[in-house]
Amino acid sequence: DAGVTQSPTHLIKTRGQHVTLRCSPISGHKSVSWYQQVLGQGPQFIFQYYEKEERGRGNFPDRFSARQFPNYSSELNVNALLLGDSALYLCASSLVEGAYYGYTFGSGTRLTVV
Amino acid sequence: QQPVQSPQAVILREGEDAVINCSSSKALYSVHWYRQKHGEAPVFLMILLKGGEQKGHDKISASFNEKKQQSSLYLTASQLSYSGTYFCGTESWSGNTGKLIFGQGTTLQVKP
Repeated sequence: DAGVTQSPTHLIKTRGQHVTLRCSPISGHKSVSWYQQVLGQGPQFIFQYYEKEERGRGNFPDRFSARQFPNYSSELNVNALLLGDSALYLCASSLVEGAYYGYTFGSGTRLTVV
Repeated sequence: QQPVQSPQAVILREGEDAVINCSSSKALYSVHWYRQKHGEAPVFLMILLKGGEQKGHDKISASFNEKKQQSSLYLTASQLSYSGTYFCGTESWSGNTGKLIFGQGTTLQVKP
């Protein structure tokens, strides 16, 4: 079975631009969460979606938005990019809404803002 | 709010043991442990739930002290493959379940 897939793997954007990151969870997993990981730090929670509804939001500005589609895949959108948005963006899927069974992370999208 | 991990870094020889600690100031519902190798995704190791038992597989185990809001990860007879950065992730009662707050990580290097 395929794991969590994210695309693209790497991305270079200019300040002020917009970016869309995509995630496909493991088949059967209904929950998708997004995390931002800055080099040398632990992942930081951005959003959680379950059954296409937002279930949680971290301490990120409104420039960050996300959605989950009927097939449970998800998109993370970031508007008006800043240099500080440069990070590894991780998508994690789980079977249920809570993290009871643990998360399976994708390999991430490395975003560089110049 | 972010759990604190200690130590920040550990260097071991193959076969030696290590303990990584995770401490939170909030009442915890669960503690997760993940290992991340350089350039790769974090990999789930185990979850410890409030009221649950100590868990483990192979030579990696963990405990969860609910009263102290602390968890420890035990790596015994370490192998080269254990090298990486270990993160604890905590779920608290005050937030929505599924939202993990990760510690800053503990880098473990196992040498031959």
